[in-house]
Amino acid sequence: EVQLVESGGGLVQPGRSLKLSCAASGFTFSNYGMAWVCQAPTKGLEWVASISTGGGNTYYRDSVKGRFTISRDNAKNTLYLQMDSLRSEDTATYYCARHIGVNWFAYWGQGTLVTVSS
Amino acid sequence: DIQMTQSPASLSASLEEIVTITCQASQNIGNWLAWYQQKPGKSPQLLIYGTTSLADGVPSRFSGSRSGTQYSLKISRLQVEDIGIYYCQQASSTPWTFGGGTKLELK
Repeated sequence: EVQLVESGGGLVQPGRSLKLSCAASGFTFSNYGMAWVCQAPTKGLEWVASISTGGGNTYYRDSVKGRFTISRDNAKNTLYLQMDSLRSEDTATYYCARHIGVNWFAYWGQGTLVTVSS
Repeated sequence: DIQMTQSPASLSASLEEIVTITCQASQNIGNWLAWYQQKPGKSPQLLIYGTTSLADGVPSRFSGSRSGTQYSLKISRLQVEDIGIYYCQQASSTPWTFGGGTKLELK
């Protein structure tokens, strides 16, 4: 059974940093592209970033480029999202997702809430 | 960015009724369209990808279709467990974008 378990969310002040983790199990992690998708409170879904199987290719939405970094450790079956220079508009639940193909989000974690507020 | 416009924003339907949700893409995305279901308090779940392909474990009462840049999700006989919010997503070009969602409720 595919399992994705996010951690690392919490309350953080504007301008500070936070690092999210996603522990994967139930599949061969290194064979799949991975992604982060966020959902602001009572709002819709927004893709944040994706990473290829080996980590050599990364993709970001414009609003997080230069502030967020997606990475992975295939030996530890773990996906990361380093979030720097956080803004109030980054407040959301962040989901880890496994791709099928390059573009579809086939499996999702339960999400971790990030609140950016002073 | 490619804009995805869903309609209606909310929908109330009876059990066993046929339900159709539509998604309009702002430009040609071919068959690069997926549908997700998000039940209350839960994570989204992939229902359909590539416009018409059912994801693993998804009941056959769900189906997808396309007419030009308009995409449709059809539930042939609404069940209680189908209640939730439905999102479309284009996968033609980054940034991958989602529609605003359609909230499906029981009448």
